[in-house]
Amino acid sequence: GQNIDQPTEMTATEGAIVQINCTYQTSGFNGLFWYQQHAGEAPTFLSYNVLDGLEEKGRFSSFLSRSKGYSYLLLKELQMKDSASYLCAVRYYGQNFVFGPGTRLSVLP
Amino acid sequence: ETGVTQTPRHLVMGMTNKKSLKCEQHLGHNAMYWYKQSAKKPLELMFVYSLEERVENNSVPSRFSPECPNSSHLFLHLHTLQPEDSALYLCASSQDTGSGELFFGEGSRLTVL
Repeated sequence: GQNIDQPTEMTATEGAIVQINCTYQTSGFNGLFWYQQHAGEAPTFLSYNVLDGLEEKGRFSSFLSRSKGYSYLLLKELQMKDSASYLCAVRYYGQNFVFGPGTRLSVLP
Repeated sequence: ETGVTQTPRHLVMGMTNKKSLKCEQHLGHNAMYWYKQSAKKPLELMFVYSLEERVENNSVPSRFSPECPNSSHLFLHLHTLQPEDSALYLCASSQDTGSGELFFGEGSRLTVL
């Protein structure tokens, strides 16, 4: 099967920058998605990468290297409300999304 | 407002009960999904429907029975569940099964006693 790996937990300070990594198996890759999920709420879409490079959207950026099977989500100017779980998901050809375990980010004052 | 609504938000049931979870999407999407989210585990895909036809069933026990009467509604019928089935059940939709991101509902928190 296609395993997606991410760190389980991360902690950062308000105003700082944090990078959440995600690695995946490359065979059949057809796009990578990042979702944010606050406790007790639905996951919400953050970003989509299908080509190599950086996609920037406000304080959030996502990077992809298809040859390395690697992506990261970069969060700048962290705010307390950014405390949430961040889910990395990969779409493979002929299959539906495969989700990683999620990274629980705690932002401290 | 996510465009995907689920009811009930919370459900407690005994192992002999029969209940149903409901999902409705207002986005005009063609694909709908049921996911199971358990503590400390990745989201698990249960069922996929495309234009009301089931296209994927990920080895889900028969005590879970999906129903998709039209492209906007999706049900998950539950009967004789086990305590290990306690989890958050998330409904999602996307434009098609091969394109677009997933839009999730708020989820139905199920507790089986």
